[in-house]
Amino acid sequence: QSVLTQPPSVSGAPGQRVTISCAGSRSNIGAGYPVNWYQQFPGAAPKLLMFTNSIRPSGVPDRFSGSKSGASASLDISGLQAEDEAVYYCQSYDSGLGGSPFVFGTGTKVTV
Amino acid sequence: QVQLVQSGAEVKKPGASVKISCETSGYVFTDYAIHWVRQAPGQSLEWMGWINVGISKTEYSHNFQGGVTFTGDASANTAYMELTSLRAEDSAIYYCARVTGLHFDSWGQGTLITVSS
Repeated sequence: QSVLTQPPSVSGAPGQRVTISCAGSRSNIGAGYPVNWYQQFPGAAPKLLMFTNSIRPSGVPDRFSGSKSGASASLDISGLQAEDEAVYYCQSYDSGLGGSPFVFGTGTKVTV
Repeated sequence: QVQLVQSGAEVKKPGASVKISCETSGYVFTDYAIHWVRQAPGQSLEWMGWINVGISKTEYSHNFQGGVTFTGDASANTAYMELTSLRAEDSAIYYCARVTGLHFDSWGQGTLITVSS
């Protein structure tokens, strides 16, 4: 079971803005650990989209932005484009006992 | 550039074992751990553990202890994952990935393992 909770799907028209939430807890996001985001197209490996809450790797368009507050984080896609249709996963680190230290979200399918 | 290239898809019978590889290039292999992540059909990503060949250390997720073994060959810049006593529920795509800090910055293309009688 995923430790981080995301909405199963979000949708928007081209040019619109969508927000994907990622809810964690006091042992992961709420403990101050950074949140990272990955984009996955069908049949492909995940690709790093955002790291340390809001840093875009080279080549990621600036219409993608990330933020974190308390035990939650969010990924915003502004100026939605057809090529943004994919599944997005958040990921963080968890210091809880007995669980895995690297935890992923449930995933959100973005439909344009 | 950093690249991780995994071995091809495998079909195995229940109870068998499988060993997949993750060949790396573009960086110093022994400076980073290689992590393994499982993705069951239609499911999210699940962390399995890591191996750092440079310091001869491995860590396994509690969910996978006993059924998986990570090894590595520094001379070949390659990490391996062996799954034993395969069950149908082990059918999934397995990814290797490099971690920088606390994020997975490079991923292999994935290896599909199908367990079927």
